[in-house]
Amino acid sequence: GAGVSQSPSNKVTEKGKDVELRCDPISGHTALYWYRQSLGQGLEFLIYFQGNSAPDKSGLPSDRFSAERTGGSVSTLTIQRTQQEDSAVYLCASGPKENTEAFFGQGTRLTVV
Amino acid sequence: AQSVTQLDSQVPVFEEAPVELRCNYSSSVSVYLFWYVQYPNQGLQLLLKYLSGSTLVESINGFEAEFNKSQTSFHLRKPSVHISDTAEYFCAVTRRYGGSQGNLIFGKGTKLSVKP
Repeated sequence: GAGVSQSPSNKVTEKGKDVELRCDPISGHTALYWYRQSLGQGLEFLIYFQGNSAPDKSGLPSDRFSAERTGGSVSTLTIQRTQQEDSAVYLCASGPKENTEAFFGQGTRLTVV
Repeated sequence: AQSVTQLDSQVPVFEEAPVELRCNYSSSVSVYLFWYVQYPNQGLQLLLKYLSGSTLVESINGFEAEFNKSQTSFHLRKPSVHISDTAEYFCAVTRRYGGSQGNLIFGKGTKLSVKP
């Protein structure tokens, strides 16, 4: 596709359920980033992939959060046992290589009720 | 590690007035710098970038930013703003050479509100 695609665009889930958020990066981009955007909090870095490996997982808030990337392409962010404080917009971005600009998807708005 | 500080969370300005959105960064190594814009209810778009060469970089819609290494700043400016420039602006930094630290770090954003 022409841009970064994220699905679903909106997700409402009950507290305690697991959710999976998907990111399809721009074809050929080796770098992939996940961020979380909460009201008034700016962009919180979660995790960064170079190819299929994650050199920097330092931003994952807790062990309920995990992410993987397969085939150097699609990435999935999984949140287990969701809590209300997990409600936010989750943004994915990809870049042609590390240490350069990234291009963002439209995000997944997660609401935990 | 790198960090970014955007000194103003909100900047109100009248249409056709000049504006400056401030960004300072901290890094012990050489960096690349970026400005992103997020219009209401839209995703983030790259506005401009500094990678190398001229320290003054420009966007297609009249914004410019100047990399100042001595002051560790990358302020965004526009000489005359339009209503359509109302948006949130994010400054970002990444290491020039990454290794395991290729992540892109963002500031908390500045909301520019242009009033008629």
